[in-house]
Amino acid sequence: SQQGEEDPQALSIQEGENATMNCSYKTSINNLQWYRQNSGRGLVHLILIRSNEREKHSGRLRVTLDTSKKSSSLLITASRAADTASYFCATDRETSGSRLTFGEGTQLTVNP
Amino acid sequence: DAGVIQSPRHEVTEMGQEVTLRCKPISGHNSLFWYRQTMMRGLELLIYFNNNVPIDDSGMPEDRFSAKMPNASFSTLKIQPSEPRDSAVYFCASSYGQGEAFFGQGTRLTVV
Repeated sequence: SQQGEEDPQALSIQEGENATMNCSYKTSINNLQWYRQNSGRGLVHLILIRSNEREKHSGRLRVTLDTSKKSSSLLITASRAADTASYFCATDRETSGSRLTFGEGTQLTVNP
Repeated sequence: DAGVIQSPRHEVTEMGQEVTLRCKPISGHNSLFWYRQTMMRGLELLIYFNNNVPIDDSGMPEDRFSAKMPNASFSTLKIQPSEPRDSAVYFCASSYGQGEAFFGQGTRLTVV
């Protein structure tokens, strides 16, 4: 079963707007990661946030983590048409090694 | 490094045939994952290895699926016999510790 669940399932916005995607999970985690997937391609890592962190930035990306609510959000500011892709959150809850479990993903469409 | 390399990129086979998917992880990574992605079920973790040892294969659909990692630089996922419902994109990914996972480009399998 999928550990993470993203919402919304699909999001359509205009270029320049901000896009916010949310992820909820069920069990305790070591870290939470966000990935992007362009159609027909493999997933590409965007950002990792550890369980003891609350917020992290990377360029136009901002990720928050609320472990009390078991949720995370990914904000993309000043979106571009090239940001059109599916975005997935993945949780890692192993104490040794790594076992990444992905959610269903959010399909983001940025209209020019 | 060339990244995670998967082969073949596309595979079309007849029902009942054996299919072998191959993966070369990034050198130095100690975790390797096999995922299957379909429209209906999303991205499913099939099995993951840590230091060449299978840690969790609970995601493997049934006995027709098997995976091996004979050394740190090579892994295979075998389906025997294949069935039409196995049609999907199969991704291999590798990581070091609990860091980001790097994905291959995937193998698109079609079983007719």
